[in-house]
Amino acid sequence: GAVVSQHPSRVICKSGTSVKIECRSLDFQATTMFWYRQFPKKSLMLMATSNEGSKATYEQGVEKDKFLINHASLTLSTLTVTSAHPEDSSFYICSAKASGRVSDTQYFGPGTRLTVL
Amino acid sequence: AQKVTQAQTEISVVEKEDVTLDCVYETRDTTYYLFWYKQPPSGELVFLIRRNSFDEQNEISGRYSWNFQKSTSSFNFTITASQVVDSAVYFCALSEARAAGNKLTFGGGTRVLVKP
Repeated sequence: GAVVSQHPSRVICKSGTSVKIECRSLDFQATTMFWYRQFPKKSLMLMATSNEGSKATYEQGVEKDKFLINHASLTLSTLTVTSAHPEDSSFYICSAKASGRVSDTQYFGPGTRLTVL
Repeated sequence: AQKVTQAQTEISVVEKEDVTLDCVYETRDTTYYLFWYKQPPSGELVFLIRRNSFDEQNEISGRYSWNFQKSTSSFNFTITASQVVDSAVYFCALSEARAAGNKLTFGGGTRVLVKP
């Protein structure tokens, strides 16, 4: 299957700082990338969908000024958590698909565990 | 609106037992895709299978098998002769053709614990 990487895998930061998480598709070009958040023992919650070269589409209730998403190339999307607070601590997972077709599978990155002190 | 329900939150079995994970979905679309993903303790979601709404053939892959029944809107997953390495959280997901961005809707997940 296709490979998606995320960096960093873990990050600990102080309250008020910003954290950037990278998501890369390593062996395919991803026209669409997705960002999810997962709380302990819970399912994945979609935060936003990003298409290369255009603005991300955020799900209801997700603050776009808080969670900045940039999809600058066909292999890279970034999520920046601005002015992080302890309640932003979570497991963030990205996924990527090669095209906009519904039939395409989403391949997931390994996730980034964010801890805000 | 689309919805996926995994009624079993946790299943515990002894190694070599079979285990079946239930998945029931709701959709108004006639074209949709169903998926199963495995999330081991490491956290990464591993793709297991994709099935489109027009293909009701059951599928077997090694110790894994899937039973898709449109009449009951179910897409159940069976692990035969379970092994300790099968311990993970398993997610069923649905993607509708008409959903913006073809985004996935996940079920709540079923945690499988296989004891030696």
